[in-house]
Amino acid sequence: DTEVTQTPKHLVMGMTNKKSLKCEQHMGHRAMYWYKQKAKKPPELMFVYSYEKLSINESVPSRFSPECPNSSLLNLHLHALQPEDSALYLCASAYRVNWEQYFGPGTRLTVT
Amino acid sequence: AQTVTQSQPEMSVQEAETVTLSCTYDTSESNYYLFWYKQPPSRQMILVIRQEAYKQQNATENRFSVNFQKAAKSFSLKISDSQLGDTAMYFCAFMKGANSKLTFGKGITLSVRP
Repeated sequence: DTEVTQTPKHLVMGMTNKKSLKCEQHMGHRAMYWYKQKAKKPPELMFVYSYEKLSINESVPSRFSPECPNSSLLNLHLHALQPEDSALYLCASAYRVNWEQYFGPGTRLTVT
Repeated sequence: AQTVTQSQPEMSVQEAETVTLSCTYDTSESNYYLFWYKQPPSRQMILVIRQEAYKQQNATENRFSVNFQKAAKSFSLKISDSQLGDTAMYFCAFMKGANSKLTFGKGITLSVRP
């Protein structure tokens, strides 16, 4: 089973709202990732967690705040977003950091 | 820094025919991995195939196979017996051996015609 789940599937939020995206996997993977993807473009890496510790932050604005509470769960907390942050947010996991990554279905975020 | 180039933005193929998607990359690393990911209109990214640079044998997964030319830094994907469900955007991706970061190409949109 190579399933990564993400909730919610769709999210519309105002620029003053606080919301969270959730990602979960039960494959025993110890590397988890957040990507941002605009339409017709490749995914852009935002954050990497390895063994529940943040190992890569690709200079993402502080209005995005990741959290890895345990080995199965990854959250992305959103606050004071801008309309240009509207995108598909993809979560991925891998057995270890240099193994193939498996992606979730994504959350389509619209910031109004 | 690594770069991945997919020079064809779009391709079209008749159902049941074979199509090859091109990808070239540039790196000074000797230990790395290459991937093809598929993203259908649902936008779920699906791993199609993986190739380790140290392996000379080309990877295959059912109807999908790669032609890995290490010296030429080329990694093309061949889809045999194309099906309507193969319609998707395909991304070629590179990962350095000790690094978790995937470097993606710009992608190619493949349309399979009935």
